[in-house]
Amino acid sequence: EPEVTQTPSHQVTQMGQEVILRCVPISNHLYFYWYRQILGQKVEFLVSFYNNEISEKSEIFDDQFSVERPDGSNFTLKIRSTKLEDSAMYFCASSDTMGRGGNNEQFFGPGTRLTVL
Amino acid sequence: AQKITQTQPGMFVQEKEAVTLDCTYDTSDPSYGLFWYKQPSSGEMIFLIYQGSYDQQNATEGRYSLNFQKARKSANLVISASQLGDSAMYFCAMSRADRDDKIIFGKGTRLHILP
Repeated sequence: EPEVTQTPSHQVTQMGQEVILRCVPISNHLYFYWYRQILGQKVEFLVSFYNNEISEKSEIFDDQFSVERPDGSNFTLKIRSTKLEDSAMYFCASSDTMGRGGNNEQFFGPGTRLTVL
Repeated sequence: AQKITQTQPGMFVQEKEAVTLDCTYDTSDPSYGLFWYKQPSSGEMIFLIYQGSYDQQNATEGRYSLNFQKARKSANLVISASQLGDSAMYFCAMSRADRDDKIIFGKGTRLHILP
């Protein structure tokens, strides 16, 4: 069964450094998302991406964040200058126009745990 | 704005019993979808079940069923014949019915299945 993959599974970085989190969505999917989950808290929406541009972004997604689909398969989240409070699990998700029952079921990747020291 | 409320931070249930996880929601959108996700200790998000706001029947997926009461704005998850492997965090979530809409999550309920 096709699945969303994310690399790395765990990233440790120093405060102020740039990080790039990578995702490979399911191949025929058209809509892509990033979410984050601070330890012990709920999952929060960051950004959605469709047709090579951002569809919507949350308040969390400030100028330090950017997303890109550099080729036909990868979808990346870049944090330009990491802060301690960026430590979280980051989930990539994708969906298509043919979700089960017509819904927009989003398939989540396994997540990247980012630790900022 | 959409909002999901899960009032049970934690639950303990004996193995083989049925369990109901509560979820209420608030939205002004006429068309929306409701989801339940399971997050085991390993951290991944596992999709369990979906209910569309216009679906006439409650959704079922194996041992999972969604008790959808639209007038009360509730979308409780029922797990029948619970198993030890059901121990996890469970998140109720919703989105508008638009194709590219974000999912809004509740704070979750941690379910412990006792042997």
